[in-house]
Amino acid sequence: DQQVKQNSPSLSVQEGRISILNCDYTNSMFDYFLWYKKYPAEGPTFLISISSIKDKNEDGRFTVFLNKSAKHLSLHIVPSQPGDSAVYFCAASAAYNFNKFYFGSGTKLNVKP
Amino acid sequence: NAGVTQTPKFQVLKTGQSMTLQCAQDMNHEYMSWYRQDPGMGLRLIHYSVGAGITDQGEVPNGYNVSRSTTEDFPLRLLSAAPSQTSVYFCASRYQNRGSPLHFGNGTRLTVT
Repeated sequence: DQQVKQNSPSLSVQEGRISILNCDYTNSMFDYFLWYKKYPAEGPTFLISISSIKDKNEDGRFTVFLNKSAKHLSLHIVPSQPGDSAVYFCAASAAYNFNKFYFGSGTKLNVKP
Repeated sequence: NAGVTQTPKFQVLKTGQSMTLQCAQDMNHEYMSWYRQDPGMGLRLIHYSVGAGITDQGEVPNGYNVSRSTTEDFPLRLLSAAPSQTSVYFCASRYQNRGSPLHFGNGTRLTVT
């Protein structure tokens, strides 16, 4: 049973608008979360992370929000650009074994010009 | 700086054949790992290592062997390939501290017929 879930396989957004990608997790011991971006035929690349001691982390156009009570995190991209079109994976790990990362199934974002 | 290098990029095997997927990193990362990516399943951890001579199992270790004789290399061995092992395999490495993200290679696409 997947401990990290991304329930939207795809998302289409107009250039310049906000993209919101969602991720849910079931393990309450997860305390460190990351987002990765993946282009075709390449490996995932790290985008942004958040620790459970925070509820928000920003890096340029990318902001990650964490709602611990709902076991939910989201990635906001503002404004969206065509180059943001990729598959986005969320991942989580727990302090008791931070060597194991659990990934969601990914959301394919398409930003239309 | 090459980062994480995986070879080969593509491989076709017959059921029962064996092969080794190679992974090398030049970032002096202590931690190395192997993931497989399947449609709808995201990335699942196969095996990982926190240093030379130390390996441990991930979520889906059956059918795969690993060893870590040097800091730089972490090969993944399939002793008797099965069609269920058809997948895209990613090697990833990072520094062995909590806040360090994974750096991925570009993947090996394996087909077992």
